[in-house]
This record gives sequence, C-alpha cells and structure tokens, in this order.
Amino acid sequence: NAGVMQNPRHLVRRRGQEARLRCSPMKGHSHVYWYRQLPEEGLKFMVYLQKENIIDESGMPKERFSAEFPKEGPSILRIQQVVRGDSAAYFCASSRIDPTEAFFGQGTRLTVV
Amino acid sequence: QKEVEQDPGPLSVPEGAIVSLNCTYSNSAFQYFMWYRQYSRKGPELLMYTYSSGNKEDGRFTAQVDKSSKYISLFIRDSQPSDSATYLCAMSPFYSSASKIIFGSGTRLSIRP
Repeated sequence: NAGVMQNPRHLVRRRGQEARLRCSPMKGHSHVYWYRQLPEEGLKFMVYLQKENIIDESGMPKERFSAEFPKEGPSILRIQQVVRGDSAAYFCASSRIDPTEAFFGQGTRLTVV
Repeated sequence: QKEVEQDPGPLSVPEGAIVSLNCTYSNSAFQYFMWYRQYSRKGPELLMYTYSSGNKEDGRFTAQVDKSSKYISLFIRDSQPSDSATYLCAMSPFYSSASKIIFGSGTRLSIRP
C-alpha cells in the first residue's frame, strides 16, 4: 500500500511562472490537506479537500493560489505568477476521516528564482 | 506571542540518554495534542496522539500533557541514533478540524553514537 505520493519532489520556477504540485492520497483516503512549511517554521494549514469539494480553504492566500481534488486523478495545488516568497516546502496529507491521524507525503520543495 | 512555542534546538545527547522535548501553548481551548517526527527532507510522521491531560506511552516514547500549565512533553527513553530528527508538536481545540491544528516550529534532535 503506497503512501501519500507527491510530485515533483523539487520544482524550480522563475518569478511569474506557474507552479503545479500534485498529490495522490493513500488508498482508501478521501480527505486531502495541503500545508506549507517555511524554514525554521511549523507547518501552516492551507486547504482541506474531499473529492470534487473544497471543504476549508481558510489558510489559502486570497490570490494566485488554488487547489482541486477531481473525481479522478491527484489533488493539485496551483500557484500562479510565483514570487520569491512562495519558495517553501509544500506537504500534502491524507486521511480517512480524522486529520489528526493523517499521513504526510514527502513534500514538494518549490524554489522561485 | 505565538500560540505554540517550541525550542528549535539543536539538542544533542549521547546514545542511550533520556530525551525530553517540550512545547508550551497559550490557547486553553486546545484539547488534542500530537507529536510528529520529521526526518530531513521527508514529511512529518505522527508519533503520538493524546486527548486532554495525562500520560500516554508507546514503546520508548511517552507523551505527557499538563493543561494547567499549558505544557506538553515527549520523552524518549534509550535514545538511538535513528531518533535523530526534528520533532514537531501540534495541537487543536477540535476533533476533525484540520485548519485548527497549530504546529510548533520543531526541535532538532541529534543522538550521538
């Protein structure tokens, strides 16, 4: 049973480009969460999705960031017109129901140059 | 003041020592307390999960919650070099509310052989 799969592991984008981060949850998990981690800082919640629904996006910046979890395929976190401040590790987690028992992926490290 | 405070370390101890990792918090509404282990360049892994006050033991790990002092601890007995990682505390006031989970910034632990 594969764990939470994130790709790519590393992503380099120039300022102004778009970044697309993918997350495939564990088998049997229908709840997906995205977090951002800056150096020397804790994980910050961004968004919580179930299939075809955004449940809670209270942690998402109002502009340039969007997320989806389609009926088929992985969850996507999309960052448009990236800026240097978007450089961070982005983690996806999935769970059956309870987010406190979620499993994390290995993260995508985004570097904006 | 941050809601959750965690000493960043690094903390270096010899193999076999007892390790004590701690977090303090300011929000008295927190009821659910978690500890995660994060190896370098990996995603966080849930170690311990406790509800309200008291102790919980799992193998070499003991989680302790003192709500009156707003203080939680993770003890590692017979520490091993493989325990070298960053340890994140996390806490939440509600069950099943990912957006309300607040993470500490992590303590880097190094176990010397």
